[in-house]
Amino acid sequence: GAVVSQHPSRVICKSGTSVKIECRSLDFQATTMFWYRQFPKQSLMLMATSNEGSKATYEQGVEKDKFLINHASLTLSTLTVTSAHPEDSSFYICSSPGAGGYGNTIYFGEGSWLTVV
Amino acid sequence: AQKVTQAQTEISVVEKEDVTLDCVYETRDTTYYLFWYKQPPSGELVFLIRRNSFDEQNEISGRYSWNFQKSTSSFNFTITASQVVDSAVYFCALILNFGNEKLTFGTGTRLTIIP
Repeated sequence: GAVVSQHPSRVICKSGTSVKIECRSLDFQATTMFWYRQFPKQSLMLMATSNEGSKATYEQGVEKDKFLINHASLTLSTLTVTSAHPEDSSFYICSSPGAGGYGNTIYFGEGSWLTVV
Repeated sequence: AQKVTQAQTEISVVEKEDVTLDCVYETRDTTYYLFWYKQPPSGELVFLIRRNSFDEQNEISGRYSWNFQKSTSSFNFTITASQVVDSAVYFCALILNFGNEKLTFGTGTRLTIIP
């Protein structure tokens, strides 16, 4: 079935550095990708919506200059956490609605655990 | 705006007991989709069920069953004869339609099955 592959699954970075998280759709063209963040023991909150070939739309309170989203192709969307700080440590997960034969379904990546030290 | 409420933050039951996880939602739209996801400690979201607002039939899948009641805006999830492998965080979520798949998640219920 359709798969959204997310990498890395776990990453540790130093404070002040940047880290990139990738989500690839393997069986369908992901026109839209949603990015969620989940702090420990909390729910998943939508950060931003990216559409292929256009600028991402960010939810209120999410710093667009800190969380850079690129969706340059129909199979790849990336989230870059710039100048990461310990408070950015969180679980990040992407999702995309299926397309074509995979329609009416939402596919999630496996998620990425980010720890900033 | 939509809202999903899962009032039970944590539940613990002894193995083989039945357990029901509550979900109450709010939306002004007449068309919407409701979901349940399981999140094990590894973090990935495991899809359990999708239900659209026009289908109020209850559903059973093995030990899992779902009770959708539009009159009370509830979409409750019951696990029968619970097992240790059912221990996880469970999220109820809602979207308005396919074409706008922004999920509004509930706060989640952490279920612990005691052997």
